This record gives sequence, structure tokens and C-alpha cells, in this order.
Amino acid sequence: DTAVSQTPKYLVTQMGNDKSIKCEQNLGHDTMYWYKQDSKKFLKIMFSYNNKELIINETVPNRFSPKSPDKAHLNLHINSLELGDSAVYFCASSLRDNEQFFGPGTRLTVL
Amino acid sequence: AQSVSQHNHHVILSEAASLELGCNYSYGGTVNLFWYVQYPGQHLQLLLKYFSGDPLVKGIKGFEAEFIKSKFSFNLRKPSVQWSDTAEYFCAVNVRGGGNKLTFGTGTQLKVEL
Repeated sequence: DTAVSQTPKYLVTQMGNDKSIKCEQNLGHDTMYWYKQDSKKFLKIMFSYNNKELIINETVPNRFSPKSPDKAHLNLHINSLELGDSAVYFCASSLRDNEQFFGPGTRLTVL
Repeated sequence: AQSVSQHNHHVILSEAASLELGCNYSYGGTVNLFWYVQYPGQHLQLLLKYFSGDPLVKGIKGFEAEFIKSKFSFNLRKPSVQWSDTAEYFCAVNVRGGGNKLTFGTGTQLKVEL
């Protein structure tokens, strides 16, 4: 009965690699988000999609590319990983402007 | 752009003590306000929210928050904390009609000692 799920939970990779994180929600929400939580626990929004359309795109390197194949999925692809990309990435979803429900997070470590 | 300040970065309390965590935001327009909690190793969970109406909002686990518009504040309170309340607490704001972009405060680490 998981509401917002992410895979993988942990991701350890070398600098320069390309990786993807997947997110799925079964709440019937129409909007999905990606947040980055840094080592000091600060959370910052990266992207938001509404009905597969990109509506929020914060100042994020273009190595990060979100993809939403349908309303229930929002994946995050990262090219040429750098040390500074190490963080916990949270996916979230909501019904329009209502409260957001968060996934369990993906801890990315770039070596 | 809106911003959120949480002045208490680390709080240590004994069980049964009362809790108040400060949250102030800066934005001149209409906002929605949230408190989220992150237990160790877990995802964020919504504690409570304010959209409109009664400025005193009750949430889960005995938490409440009061929206004071004149002070741009949304402080979180609990009359008697428990050891299980040990967690990171985040205040967040979004602007009505602004695409539901949540802006978070820097978080408050609460440790409750037995």
C-alpha cells in the first residue's frame, strides 16, 4: 500500500557515471516533484511536473533531466555525476496545490 | 521570492517538557503553511497544515501550530513531548497559485531525553 515509492533506496557510483532514480505514486495525484536534501538536511525543490508537463524548473545543472512518462511516474536522470551531487533525493506528489506526500528518499553517494 | 526561517537549529528537551519551535516566513502575499517531521532514516511526514480559517491548527501526535499573520509566524507547539518525538522538524511555505513550490526552512533537530 506504498503511496510514493522510489528506487533505488541507496545508490553508490563513481564520478562521471550516469544514473537514474525512479519514482512512482499510487495516490492518483496529478503533480509530482523532486527535492534534494543536502548533508545539512536542507531541502530544496528541483523540478515539478503537472500532468506530465514541467511546471517548476529551479536552478539545477542541465545534467539533471526529469522525465514523466505518465502522471504516476517521475524519473530523474543524472549525467556525468559529480561529488557535489551526493545527497538524498526525495520524490513527492500532490493533488494540485494540496499537501505533498514524500517518498522514502534515495541516498546518492558519488565517489 | 519567499523564504522561511527556523531560528532553533538544535533543541534538547526532557520527556514531558513543553515544546515550541519557531518559524517565520517572508512573503507579502497569501501563503499556505506546513510543518513536516522527519524521523531518523525516514521520509518526511506531514504534521499539520494551514490553508485558511482558524489560525490555530491541530495536527497529528498532539502537535498544534498557530498562524499569526501580523508576525509572519507559524510556530509549532506540543504541551508534553515524548522520547519518540526525537526527529527533524521542517517548516514550509508555498504561495497560493504559485505552482505548489514548497520552500523549506533549514530544519530543527529535536532530541528528547528520557
